[in-house]
Amino acid sequence: NAGVTQTPKFRILKIGQSMTLQCTQDMNHNYMYWYRQDPGMGLKLIYYSVGAGITDKGEVPNGYNVSRSTTEDFPLRLELAAPSQTSVYFCASSYPNSYTEAFFGQGTRLTVV
Amino acid sequence: DQQVKQNSPSLSVQEGRISILNCDYTNSMFDYFLWYKKYPAEGPTFLISISSIKDKNEDGRFTVFLNKSAKHLSLHIVPSQPGDSAVYFCAASEGGGSNYKLTFGKGTLLTVNP
Repeated sequence: NAGVTQTPKFRILKIGQSMTLQCTQDMNHNYMYWYRQDPGMGLKLIYYSVGAGITDKGEVPNGYNVSRSTTEDFPLRLELAAPSQTSVYFCASSYPNSYTEAFFGQGTRLTVV
Repeated sequence: DQQVKQNSPSLSVQEGRISILNCDYTNSMFDYFLWYKKYPAEGPTFLISISSIKDKNEDGRFTVFLNKSAKHLSLHIVPSQPGDSAVYFCAASEGGGSNYKLTFGKGTLLTVNP
């Protein structure tokens, strides 16, 4: 099973450029999330979605946008890349039940120069 | 303000011995706790969890203990194996285990020496 798939795995952006990080899951999970992990830090929630057409901000949403048009896909958009957005980005998904775990993708390492 | 704290950035143990990873939290509304394991260049993978109505949960070599009064949980790995070498993240959520808002600690790097 593919699980949660993220593309690309690595990317270097110049300041001011924009890009979309792709995330797709094949587990029919209603809930999807985007986290970022900075060096030496834990994961921080950027945005989440509880179903197609529904998204909401997490702890660190500034500089990002998301959309959820299908159950499977949850892309993350960076409009004007800044050095502070250099990080590793993880997409995750889970069932909408209580007391269940989230499944993570392999991550996208983004560097903004 | 860090709501989930893993105060030991690293831990080194010998193969076959017990590994104990600790986690403290400050938010008394947290009612579901999870441990994730992460290898380099991979995403976190779920290891074990515990809800606040329990004080212990076991899964093979892994046991998680929860002390609600102390707002402390620990992960015990017995016996430790070299393949357990990874970063371990403690995470917590509130609201009946609604896991869309997991709060993570900074992680502890466990090294198991052969």
